[in-house]
Amino acid sequence: SYELTQPPSVSVSPGQTARITCSGDALPKKYAYWYQQKSGQAPVLVIYEDSKRPSGIPERFSGSSSGTMATLTISGAQVEDEADYYCYSTDSSGNHRGVFGGGTKLTVL
Amino acid sequence: EVQLVQSGAEVKKPGESLKISCKGSGYSFTSYWIGWVRQMPGKGLEWMGIIYPGDSDTRYSPSFQGQVTISADKSISTAYLQWSSLKASDTAMYYCARHVESSSSSGIDYWGQGTLVTVSS
Repeated sequence: SYELTQPPSVSVSPGQTARITCSGDALPKKYAYWYQQKSGQAPVLVIYEDSKRPSGIPERFSGSSSGTMATLTISGAQVEDEADYYCYSTDSSGNHRGVFGGGTKLTVL
Repeated sequence: EVQLVQSGAEVKKPGESLKISCKGSGYSFTSYWIGWVRQMPGKGLEWMGIIYPGDSDTRYSPSFQGQVTISADKSISTAYLQWSSLKASDTAMYYCARHVESSSSSGIDYWGQGTLVTVSS
């Protein structure tokens, strides 16, 4: 079955740039979406269609995709950005079957 | 404002059946896929499946095919996730999620608040 691969953890100091990667064979043809999940809360969409930011999401969040890798970048990470981040995409079957990456714990300290 | 409001927490015994719900409002319920995501305690998100309420077309993850049933009642803008015989390993938080289509892809733009299901003897 289709898989998306993320690093388990990323750690940065406040103000630094955090980059979280997501690799998958279908990413050249399928969009990546990124979700932030803080402890005890439902996930929140932070990037859609590889690089678009929903209204209300700070400009420090950006996304890109090249080949089989999508990247979420948090420029000038803040303590409040500490959370789990998940990438999401669909497989190449055309049946809208979704898959999440394993998640990345971002630590900002 | 788009809202997905899920039913409350459940505590069940192994072997019992269960149906949890997710009511959508603030958008055309029949025009968007809506699905379910599992999160086991301390673990990541798992995509379970989706349904298109307009015609009840349903897609499942291979991991959940045959284990659960996804349905929808478009007359009351509500989607459901159902088990016929629960197991302790079904203990998890379950989120409903609205999906949006774009080109040949789709993604989740809105989430419900989650329903905690606990299965214990």
